[in-house]
Order: sequence, then structure tokens, then C-alpha cells
Amino acid sequence: SQQGEEDPQALSIQEGENATMNCSYKTSINNLQWYRQNSGRGLVHLILIRSNEREKHSGRLRVTLDTSKKSSSLLITASRAADTASYFCATEARGSNYKLTFGKGTLLTVNP
Amino acid sequence: DVKVTQSSRYLVKRTGEKVFLECVQDMDHENMFWYRQDPGLGLRLIYFSYDVKMKEKGDIPEGYSVSREKKERFSLILESASTNQTSMYLCASSLPVQGVLGYTFGSGTRLTVV
Repeated sequence: SQQGEEDPQALSIQEGENATMNCSYKTSINNLQWYRQNSGRGLVHLILIRSNEREKHSGRLRVTLDTSKKSSSLLITASRAADTASYFCATEARGSNYKLTFGKGTLLTVNP
Repeated sequence: DVKVTQSSRYLVKRTGEKVFLECVQDMDHENMFWYRQDPGLGLRLIYFSYDVKMKEKGDIPEGYSVSREKKERFSLILESASTNQTSMYLCASSLPVQGVLGYTFGSGTRLTVV
């Protein structure tokens, strides 16, 4: 069952610009997480935001969570070519016992 | 550096073969997971385990089984490989603590069944 859905499916920007990706989900959650995947590799955990938090920062990453709208956004500021990757949101639903359900991802391309 | 290691990056097997995908983690994590990733479908949970000798079905367990005889090792078994099991397989592990840390993933095994 697909919980999170990212939007847009693909995003192409220039180096130095900001990139914003959105995620919508359907059920009540314990937390929402964002992951990054470079082509053909495993996923790397970026940031986790709990259901009682509204905003979180980590370096150039800013994540917001709106539980009333069941949505989250990931902002990458001052993007670099090395940020080119797929980005996935994942939700830990209430009562799911640590299981994560992933969206289909946003492919971000940062052009030098 | 903590790691989840998947035994093979690329694997080619024949239809009908029994296939073993191995995953080992060195972080003493209780939880381990197997996902498959397909274009347009994202990641889908196959099986997971919260402890040694414990396993639970995920969303798409058909055609697969798992084994967890030791805490650090979680094996995915394709009983009789079929072409529709050609996919990227991702193993992950995590602590049994909500809202603290995310999953740690292996690098993936790209399996082709011919």
C-alpha cells in the first residue's frame, strides 16, 4: 500500500537555486522521513520529523509537516550538482511498529 | 562507519532457481527489512523481522520467504525465481525506537531472472 506520494515526479533546476519537493500521505503517522538515493544505490536517511513537530532543519535541508493537510515538504537550499538524486518520503503510520511506507520519489536534477 | 552489507551488487539467475539474497548489519539493530524497488512503483515491503527467528509478511510476500537465524543476518529467499522477480532488492535495518533514527540501507542487489 502506497502511503506517501511525492510531487513533482521530476524537477530540474540550476545550481544555486532552491529545490522544493512535496509529499502527501493518507493516514495518521508517528513520523515522516526523507531519504535520498543516488542512481542505482541504496537509500540514505536525510531527516526525520515527528508528528508533533512542524519544522525541522539540517544543514541546507528544511522539512515542514502539516498533519492537518497530511503533507510535508522538503526544501534544499543553494542546490549543488551533487544534490542530483531521487528523493523519497516515507511515513511510519501509527500502529505500524517501525514499518515505513515509501512514496515513488522525486527525481531532482541540478544542472551546473 | 555503521553498515548494512548486501552480498551481491548484481545477480543473474535462471527461471526456477532457488535464490538467496544475504544481508548483514553490524549495528546490533533488532529490526530488519527487505524491500523491492521497481520503476514507477517505488519501494514495496516484502518481509520484515523484529528479532531473531521472527518474521512478518509485508505487502508483497508471495514467492518469497526469509530467514533470520542470527541477529545480524536477514536472508531473502526466492523459492523458484520467475522473470517478474527481476528487480532491485534493498535490505534495511533500524532500532526498535520510534521517531529517533531512520533506516540504514544496504547498497542494493540488482537481480535479473532470465
